[in-house]
Amino acid sequence: EVRLEESGGGLVQPGGSLRLSCAASGFTFSSYYMYWVRQAPGKGLVWVSQIGGDGSDARYADSVRGRFTISRDNAKNTLYLQMNSLRDEDTALYYCARDHGGSGVEYWGQGTLVTVSS
Amino acid sequence: DIVMTQSPDSLAVSLGERATINCRSSQSVLYSANNKNYLAWYQKKPGQPPKLLIYWASTRDSGVPDRFSGSGSGTDFTLTISSLQAEDVAVYYCQQFYTTSRAFGQGTKVEIK
Repeated sequence: EVRLEESGGGLVQPGGSLRLSCAASGFTFSSYYMYWVRQAPGKGLVWVSQIGGDGSDARYADSVRGRFTISRDNAKNTLYLQMNSLRDEDTALYYCARDHGGSGVEYWGQGTLVTVSS
Repeated sequence: DIVMTQSPDSLAVSLGERATINCRSSQSVLYSANNKNYLAWYQKKPGQPPKLLIYWASTRDSGVPDRFSGSGSGTDFTLTISSLQAEDVAVYYCQQFYTTSRAFGQGTKVEIK
């Protein structure tokens, strides 16, 4: 059974940092692109970042480029999102998700909530 | 970057009736080398992660009821729920996979009339 479990969310002041983690199990982690997707309260889904199975091909939404860094540790089956210079508008539920052969996102975690507020 | 626009923003449909959601991309998401449209549809219910319904614009994911269907090509796509059930109340999103921006549409809220 595929499982994705996010952690690391919490309350942080504007300008602060957080590192999200996503523990994956039930599949060959290194074989899949992985994503971070977020949903702000009352808003829609927003793609944040992606990374290739071997850690290459890291991409970012314009709104987070230069502030967020995606990475992965295939030995630990874990995906990360380092978030720096956080802003109020980064407040959201952050989902970790697994690619479906380049055609969609097939598996999602339950999400971890990030709240940026003073 | 590709922009995905859904219409309508919301719709109310009677139980058993058809619901139709449209999604338009600002540029084609049809990859000519394999003739596949890089377009997916999701269902999102409160308190739950999104669920993949359709990929390649028209292929239902495993376990998705056949009342859900996807159609379209190039820049214009449609998600149809042929006979709306109470459990289909949700927000539906399209997403393109043609470019690395992986943009979502803004979502369409489906309710019971």
